[in-house]
Amino acid sequence: SQTIHQWPATLVQPVGSPLSLECTVEGTSNPNLYWYRQAAGRGLQLLFYSVGIGQISSEVPQNLSASRPQDRQFILSSKKLLLSDSGFYLCAWSPGMYEQYFGPGTRLTVT
Amino acid sequence: KNQVEQSPQSLIILEGKNCTLQCNYTVSPFSNLRWYKQDTGRGPVSLTIMTFSENTKSNGRYTATLDADTKQSSLHITASQLSDSASYICVVSSTSGAGSYQLTFGKGTKLSVIP
Repeated sequence: SQTIHQWPATLVQPVGSPLSLECTVEGTSNPNLYWYRQAAGRGLQLLFYSVGIGQISSEVPQNLSASRPQDRQFILSSKKLLLSDSGFYLCAWSPGMYEQYFGPGTRLTVT
Repeated sequence: KNQVEQSPQSLIILEGKNCTLQCNYTVSPFSNLRWYKQDTGRGPVSLTIMTFSENTKSNGRYTATLDADTKQSSLHITASQLSDSASYICVVSSTSGAGSYQLTFGKGTKLSVIP
């Protein structure tokens, strides 16, 4: 069966510090991968998606970036965090059009 | 512009009671509609997924309905349990001719089941 992992589970970082969140998927190959952010009281916002290694599409321009160095690894990064980057970050994978499976999420607090 | 509106924003019910959550969408062209359950601090988990031709789908005590003509969906929870306390998110998918698709998320309904 397929599983999706995210780490860390929680993170507290000062403004201006770098960020690296990792997501890995097991039990499948060539998945579509997604990064979402969920701010308090708001819906899910798609940040990036990837249909293959090295292929990244950005949905929202901001100081975040994503990379997919391996087939089942998706990384969300920032060189300098802003207060507005605080939120709940979710990674998801999908085999195609009809379903998405979400990871456990990372709670990021920028202080 | 594709939009998904959910109501109510929040809901409190007594354990054992039934409730119905609403989702109205203006997404075109429609591909499918999904309901997710998201426990606090966790990732969303899929409850049901419905395509254009399906108007009812059940998953245990959860029953989703879809009216593609009026672009409305509902999620009915029967005999609620304390563990049903969560946010319920409606997501509508639309497809383009190029084989790609777009997901439009509702903001969710926060359900609290109290003893």
